[in-house]
Amino acid sequence: DTAVSQTPKYLVTQMGNDKSIKCEQNLGHDTMYWYKQDSKKFLKIMFSYNNKELIINETVPNRFSPKSPDKAHLNLHINSLELGDSAVYFCASSPAGTGANVLTFGAGSRLTVL
Amino acid sequence: GQSLEQPSEVTAVEGAIVQINCTYQTSGFYGLSWYQQHDGGAPTFLSYNALDGLEETGRFSSFLSRSDSYGYLLLQELQMKDSASYFCAVGGGDLSKLSFGAGTTVTVRA
Repeated sequence: DTAVSQTPKYLVTQMGNDKSIKCEQNLGHDTMYWYKQDSKKFLKIMFSYNNKELIINETVPNRFSPKSPDKAHLNLHINSLELGDSAVYFCASSPAGTGANVLTFGAGSRLTVL
Repeated sequence: GQSLEQPSEVTAVEGAIVQINCTYQTSGFYGLSWYQQHDGGAPTFLSYNALDGLEETGRFSSFLSRSDSYGYLLLQELQMKDSASYFCAVGGGDLSKLSFGAGTTVTVRA
């Protein structure tokens, strides 16, 4: 019954590798997001999609490529991983009407780049 | 752009009251939200103020003054389980992004 689920929960990989994180929401929300939380707990938006359409791309390196096959799914692919990519990546969604103010987050995917 | 300021940490005893202040600078303000995050967990939505005044939800209340670009989260009757990080966030309206403050770590002691 998980509202926003993302997999995997943990990724440990070497620099230069490519990895993907998947996200699915069963809330019927129209908008989905990727947020990055660094070691100081600062949460920063990366991308936002509304009904499969990219609406926010927040100066993220083009090694990061989101993809939304339908409005319930938003995946994140990262190429050529760097040490600085180590963080927790949260997927989130929001319903129409509240805008981005009321977000439901997934449990997070902790990425460690060695 | 948007910027938010909130205290980095607060410590209090069980049963006490804690107020976490948040000041913000933003263009196109549409609301102030609060989120709670326990260590190792996901942020969870607590409250949202679009208009001036106080919103109460159980032991937690949130206040907004748009003219002062200021809000606060009030935690009453503190319990050990309230030990967490609390984030204020400002939104720019529908389909817009939510920008978060750096978070306030609340530690509740017995």
